[in-house]
Amino acid sequence: KNEVEQSPQNLTAQEGEFITINCSYSVGISALHWLQQHPGGGIVSLFMLSSGKKKHGRLIATINIQEKHSSLHITASHPRDSAVYICAVDLNNNDMRFGAGTRLTVKP
Amino acid sequence: GAGVSQSPSNKVTEKGKDVELRCDPISGHTALYWYRQSLGQGLEFLIYFQGNSAPDKSGLPSDRFSAERTGGSVSTLTIQRTQQEDSAVYLCASRRQGAGGELFFGEGSRLTVL
Repeated sequence: KNEVEQSPQNLTAQEGEFITINCSYSVGISALHWLQQHPGGGIVSLFMLSSGKKKHGRLIATINIQEKHSSLHITASHPRDSAVYICAVDLNNNDMRFGAGTRLTVKP
Repeated sequence: GAGVSQSPSNKVTEKGKDVELRCDPISGHTALYWYRQSLGQGLEFLIYFQGNSAPDKSGLPSDRFSAERTGGSVSTLTIQRTQQEDSAVYLCASRRQGAGGELFFGEGSRLTVL
């Protein structure tokens, strides 16, 4: 079993829909990252969080340390949000583990 | 530079040849990571450098893979006697410190082994 599990693996939405991507982990962590990878493009960091909630524009990330679960929400989704979203965790020994990614397609 | 720089951006080589991939991290970033992403797959950890500490090589898939980081800055990933299964995008990331710092990724080096 992977230490970091993401769901869903693939997600298709209509423009304007509210989107949720989930990440569960089974190890002790010091921080969790949400990353975005556009087709053919590089990877950018969206959020780094160790507790609570962070918001940036239409993106919201939450984490529940007790439940070892994080969610990434996108409000009023747009076709330009189409990308692979990756959850990554910092282990307590400074190593990192990555989820397999969620491929999001937003249709106009 | 302003970001993490990787070279070459694309490399096509013949099976059995050696290749070197370079990563120039953001100045001042002590942590440097190499990852591999095969077509349609997730990120696979290869190696992690933190300051002057011994690197974490636990992700290297075989002894054909090696990496070094000179002077705590530029890193080179070397693949000897390349195989077709080595074809992937090799990504480098750096951050200011270890755990808890924001990660910055390079654009990757796409390796194709014929």
